[in-house]
Amino acid sequence: QTVVTQEPSFSVSPGGTVTLTCGLTSGSVSTTSYPSWYQQTPGQAPRTLMYSTNIRSSGVPDRFSGSILGNRAALTITGAQADDESDYYCLLYMGSGIWVFGGGTKLTVL
Amino acid sequence: EVQLLESGGGLVQHGGSLRLSCAASGFMFSRHEMCWVRQAPGKGLEWVSGINAGDSRTFYAESVKGRFTISRDNSKNTLYLHMNSLGVEDTATYYCAKYAPTRELDYWGQGTLVTVSS
Repeated sequence: QTVVTQEPSFSVSPGGTVTLTCGLTSGSVSTTSYPSWYQQTPGQAPRTLMYSTNIRSSGVPDRFSGSILGNRAALTITGAQADDESDYYCLLYMGSGIWVFGGGTKLTVL
Repeated sequence: EVQLLESGGGLVQHGGSLRLSCAASGFMFSRHEMCWVRQAPGKGLEWVSGINAGDSRTFYAESVKGRFTISRDNSKNTLYLHMNSLGVEDTATYYCAKYAPTRELDYWGQGTLVTVSS
């Protein structure tokens, strides 16, 4: 069974740049995986950040950007701020109506 | 304003059943794919099940296939998740979410907690 992989944790300094990635244990992430990204803080429902690889959801600051890097989807935060400290999840379409979330990345800003 | 309001969560014994509901408003419910996503305490998000808009085709994660049934009542703008043979591993907050035409989950409910006791 294919698993969606994300870095378990990442740390970035305020004002710094960080790239979180989302891959597959078998195969490559492409635009047909419809990669999307979600941000979640403790006790809250997820918030949609990015979809169709690189389109920001309404209200998402432009310091967030999405891309495909090699065989993985990527979420880059340029100029990280304290309130970016959250859990980040990617979601990929596996085909046949099945979607799978990555395990999530816990981002620390310090 | 789009709103998704889950209900039906609670405490249930191992092997028991429960039905979750998600009341939708603020959009044309019948025209959108919907899904359920769950999150066990302290764990990550898990896509559980989805249902198409037009033909109501259903899809399930392997972890729930054969035990859970997703359905929708477009006349009531309501999404359901019927859960049978519940185990402690099904303990989680269950969110309903709406798919946008561009395939992301663009709106989420606040979730309903299901606790399965052993």
